[in-house]
Amino acid sequence: RKEVEQDPGPFNVPEGATVAFNCTYSNSASQSFFWYRQDCRKEPKLLMSVYSSGNEDGRFTAQLNRASQYISLLIRDSKLSDSATYLCVVLAPGNQFYFGTGTSLTVIP
Amino acid sequence: EADIYQTPRYLVIGTGKKITLECSQTMGHDKMYWYQQDPGMELHLIHYSYGVNSTEKGDLSSESTVSRIRTEHFPLTLESARPSHTSQYLCASRSTGTGYQPQHFGDGTRLSIL
Repeated sequence: RKEVEQDPGPFNVPEGATVAFNCTYSNSASQSFFWYRQDCRKEPKLLMSVYSSGNEDGRFTAQLNRASQYISLLIRDSKLSDSATYLCVVLAPGNQFYFGTGTSLTVIP
Repeated sequence: EADIYQTPRYLVIGTGKKITLECSQTMGHDKMYWYQQDPGMELHLIHYSYGVNSTEKGDLSSESTVSRIRTEHFPLTLESARPSHTSQYLCASRSTGTGYQPQHFGDGTRLSIL
């Protein structure tokens, strides 16, 4: 079983839509959680950390459910510029980072 | 914006050559990492370092080697490049300050071995 699992998509949504991605992780002792954004042929860039109480940054909301071992990312009012691959990243014990395969999002005009 | 730099950005080179991919960061981060990523695929950890003179192999078997003689510098070397080494190589670093710090990535090196 993979350490981190994501639905690869693709998600094709119209501008202005709300879209949600989920990610599950296997190690219940995992310590920190992050969402990264990766554009085609570019490096991953940190979008936001995920805090236990959930956190919001503008149109982006991240949630953590430790009991079910999943994290989510909600994007409201999608923009064309949101088109990218979104990577779920988990920091497990031993300082090991595990990356999901990414969820591809295309926002359509 | 994180200050982590990789050179070269692109490299096309023949089989059998020795290659060194450079990675430098100016943030004083003690932890540094090398990942390999093929197009549309996930990142695979090939090497990491938790400080000067500390290097470890990652999850993905790699014929490359790394060194960490200075905090800011973490070069990756392929002694004899092969077509199977064609990929994107991403360097990352992170601080071990308070809390659990995320990784910051360099722009990557796209390597093509002919």
